[in-house]
Amino acid sequence: DTAVSQTPKYLVTQMGNDKSIKCEQNLGHDTMYWYKQDSKKFLKIMFSYNNKELIINETVPNRFSPKSPDKAHLNLHINSLELGDSAVYFCASSPGLAGGFGELFFGEGSRLTVL
Amino acid sequence: GDSVTQMEGPVTLSEEAFLTINCTYTATGYPSLFWYVQYPGEGLQLLLKATKADDKGSNKGFEATYRKETTSFHLEKGSVQVSDSAVYFCALTTNAGKSTFGDGTTLTVKP
Repeated sequence: DTAVSQTPKYLVTQMGNDKSIKCEQNLGHDTMYWYKQDSKKFLKIMFSYNNKELIINETVPNRFSPKSPDKAHLNLHINSLELGDSAVYFCASSPGLAGGFGELFFGEGSRLTVL
Repeated sequence: GDSVTQMEGPVTLSEEAFLTINCTYTATGYPSLFWYVQYPGEGLQLLLKATKADDKGSNKGFEATYRKETTSFHLEKGSVQVSDSAVYFCALTTNAGKSTFGDGTTLTVKP
């Protein structure tokens, strides 16, 4: 059983399209995250949710909208895709506030290519 | 704001060489410190961690010590193997739950 699973693993799409990435964790964690990793491997946090509530919202274009239907799921929807959105998007989870946050558990990543 | 600075790569070593990857941080309060490793085509996974000053984290022959006086958390391994080839990230997590990552250091170990 994969602890943090995200789908799809690969997306190839045209500029201007809308796409979604889904993430689920079965670790019972309270906090989930979305990170973006660019071609140089730099990792930047985008959003964080604790028990379905947004707690971190970095400077990210409004075209990116996270949604957390419950604490085990955090999805990412991207509107009007641009070339610069091409990257690997990682979902992660951690024990959260109650567990002192601690280490992050990452999914395998979703590689988005915008043509 | 919080920041993590780690040694620029890429680093290329021969098998059985000694490895050091430097990491320094800036943060308010008392963050927890981590080293994560990313193997090709995979997500990041925890390598080791330390939660307070003078703690030493260790795993798979790697170790790092939380040095508050020098705000450092350098990663070391006495004898690297080809299978250690990966990207290594130093990171901190604050009490508010925000994690900040270094830029990553790519290590290649040649037989």
